[in-house]
Amino acid sequence: ELKVEQNPLFLSMQEGKNYTIYCNYSTTSDRLYWYRQDPGKSLESLFVLLSNGAVKQEGRLMASLDTKARLSTLHITAAVHDLSATYFCAVLIKAAGNKLTFGGGTRVLVKP
Amino acid sequence: EAGVAQSPRYKIIEKRQSVAFWCNPISGHATLYWYQQILGQGPKLLIQFQNNGVVDDSQLPKDRFSAERLKGVDSTLKIQPAKLEDSAVYLCASSTVRDRAYEQYFGPGTRLTVT
Repeated sequence: ELKVEQNPLFLSMQEGKNYTIYCNYSTTSDRLYWYRQDPGKSLESLFVLLSNGAVKQEGRLMASLDTKARLSTLHITAAVHDLSATYFCAVLIKAAGNKLTFGGGTRVLVKP
Repeated sequence: EAGVAQSPRYKIIEKRQSVAFWCNPISGHATLYWYQQILGQGPKLLIQFQNNGVVDDSQLPKDRFSAERLKGVDSTLKIQPAKLEDSAVYLCASSTVRDRAYEQYFGPGTRLTVT
């Protein structure tokens, strides 16, 4: 059974500093996704990573994928308050009918 | 392009009552998913439809949960009878095989509180 683990579970950030969220998964995957969820809201897609070595960047967020290590990272550069949210990674297995398995989430709070 | 629509947005019921949620996916999306997200956790897949057929319902508590997608478009998820532990947000998502990224698009969710 596929397991997806994120760490840390909670991240208190200071504005202007850099941080990294880690996502480990237990079996070979076909796609890896990062989502953002604000309190009381649905999931907003941030990145889709398709292959080993993939790197995507949007604003202060950068996601990368190492399929050999079964590891994805979400790097936050110069954190700002607007980035406070919960971040989820999710892994897709095509052979399982494109089933998406989510990590437990990382709750991010950016303090001034 | 309109997104995934869900209703109601909020529902409060007493335990042992029944409840139904409705989802309208993005037009043309053949695959529809229902997820349960308990507070503080990641979403968990309950059931996946491809058109009007079930692809995966291995995590659906079939003694109380049922879902259907009769015409391959809209879907309903029903809980009968509800338990306290069913309190969660129920998310509907849809996707299309034409998307190489297999990305799923999520609706706003229905927040269910069972008292």
